[in-house]
This record gives sequence, structure tokens and C-alpha cells, in this order.
Amino acid sequence: GDSVTQTEGQVTVSESKSLIINCTYSATSIGYPNLFWYVRYPGEGLQLLLKVITAGQKGSSRGFEATYNKEATSFHLQKASVQESDSAVYYCAFIANSGTYQRFGTGTKLQVVP
Amino acid sequence: EAGVTQSPRYAVLQEGQAVSFWCDPISGHDTLYWYQQPRDQGPQLLVYFRDEAVIDNSQLPSDRFSAVRPKGTNSTLKIQSAKQGDTATYLCASSLGRGIAEQFFGPGTRLTVL
Repeated sequence: GDSVTQTEGQVTVSESKSLIINCTYSATSIGYPNLFWYVRYPGEGLQLLLKVITAGQKGSSRGFEATYNKEATSFHLQKASVQESDSAVYYCAFIANSGTYQRFGTGTKLQVVP
Repeated sequence: EAGVTQSPRYAVLQEGQAVSFWCDPISGHDTLYWYQQPRDQGPQLLVYFRDEAVIDNSQLPSDRFSAVRPKGTNSTLKIQSAKQGDTATYLCASSLGRGIAEQFFGPGTRLTVL
């Protein structure tokens, strides 16, 4: 079936350093899915960070970027310089071309340290 | 604009007891989702509605779980006879439209079954 894989359960990065959180997907249907990153800050609910609905395009929000790579079936999340306020749990999600609901990865907890 | 609200925020049960979760979506949102999120996993869809109609409940354990949205606004998710494996956070989300439409999540109900 359709699935999303986030390989890192937890990542610790020093403030002002770069970040990459990996996400790959597997879809059983042909065509290209739509891809999302959600974030849950401490004490807050899950919220959409960015989405990309066209292969090859880049989404961006709050200094984060993610590029939809259809050949690699990946949608990695990157930031050039993280801040302590970026500490949160990040979830990759996708909806297959023939799908009707979004499927979520297991989440990556980011801790940014001074 | 008020966000998605859920109650209760926490519930602790013994196995075999029943529990209901309540969700009030954002006004005007036609689509409502219920997710189960076990600890250290991503949200997993249980059921979703468009207005009062169930669109997909294929992941809902129908022998013990039920969900309704009688007037196409608020919704209730009920567990008839809870098991320890039901321990998780139950999230409600709403959106205007389905699929790639942005979902707005409530704070969740954290359920512990002893």
C-alpha cells in the first residue's frame, strides 16, 4: 500500500547550522502525488508548514524549503540556518494521485541547541 | 476565527470501558477527519466525513469504534469497549474540500487505557 518513510526519529542540531530531514514515499498508483510537511510546536496542535502539488517544484515557508523529486520519490525538508524556535516535531505526508486522504510519516523530532 | 476544538483533552480508562470524543470543526469546513496517533508514530486516519456522510471508514475498527457527524458540523468518535492497544492521541481535523486541501488540527485527546 501507499506509505511514507522518515528515517530519523530525532535530530539534534546546533543553532545556525543547516538541517535536512529526509522523507520518501511509495505510491501504488501511477501519476504523481501531492506532498506536505506538517509541524507540531511544543504545546501546540499540528499545522501545515508547506505543500507542493507539482513534481519538480519547491515549497517554502518560515525559512524551510522542500523540493519534490519525482525520480527519487523524495520530499526532503531543509533549512540553511536553524533557530531554537524551530524545535518541534516535523511530519511528512502525501496523498497519492488516486488517493482521497493524506498519509503521514512517523515524524522527526528536531531539537535545536545553543 | 476559532480553531478546531476537542474534548476532553485527556481520558484514562480501564479495559472494557467506553469513551466518547467530541470535535467542533472550523465553521464552514465541510470535511472532518478523525486520526489515531499512537506514541512515536504519525497520525493514522480512522474515518472522514464530507458534511454528514462517511466518505472513508475502511481503517475504523468497526467492532468497537463508531463515528457520527449527524448535522455535518460537530462529530463524535466513540470506543465501545476500550483495549490497551487503543492508547493513543485522537486527533480531529477539518478542511474546506478534500485531498490536497489544508487540514486544520485540533489539540487532540490523549487516551490511556489501563
